[in-house]
Amino acid sequence: DGGITQSPKYLFRKEGQNVTLSCEQNLNHDAMYWYRQDPGQGLRLIYYSQIVNDFQKGDIAEGYSVSREKKESFPLTVTSAQKNPTAFYLCASSMFLDPTNYGYTFGSGTRLTVV
Amino acid sequence: AQSVTQLDSHVSVSEGTPVLLRCNYSSSYSPSLFWYVQHPNKGLQLLLKYTSAATLVKGINGFEAEFKKSETSFHLTKPSAHMSDAAEYFCVVSDREGGADGLTFGKGTHLIIQP
Repeated sequence: DGGITQSPKYLFRKEGQNVTLSCEQNLNHDAMYWYRQDPGQGLRLIYYSQIVNDFQKGDIAEGYSVSREKKESFPLTVTSAQKNPTAFYLCASSMFLDPTNYGYTFGSGTRLTVV
Repeated sequence: AQSVTQLDSHVSVSEGTPVLLRCNYSSSYSPSLFWYVQHPNKGLQLLLKYTSAATLVKGINGFEAEFKKSETSFHLTKPSAHMSDAAEYFCVVSDREGGADGLTFGKGTHLIIQP
């Protein structure tokens, strides 16, 4: 079945440590996105990529980094510069570069906790 | 500026009774509107979308929504609630005024189904 796979499902990070969240899709979608979800705040865009080797900052990119070396993969690194990383992270993809008419397909999320 | 307001943070209904989740939006353009559902620790699943075709939109699992331009609303309804409908629901508006990806998410409505 086609879809988006996020791993791991749960991740624990120590203070000052960088961690990388994986996102892989086999939908042949061009665009991929990373969102952060906090209770009562909806989803906020971290980074997005419309084509391979290109990505753009979203609304809350500080403390995060991404790469898009392959169409299928869009990993997110949460760096030590992100002071409050505990959250639920969602990866999404869309079939066309303009998702306004087509919406997104979401992964099942990674819950990151700082210990 | 584009915005979306989900009028209730929590809605509680009894199983078998109707569901109404309210969403109001503002947009300077002709928006696309979506409803997504999220079960605990899961990604978001598209329920339905409005993209300037029929104003009454039917989605999965018996949900439907009506686009009312004069009221700037896109309320989600279901005639008879089922226990499996218990989840978080997000209203999303999409036009080019939104965040970097053109999407603005509501803060979510938590639907509780009483047996």
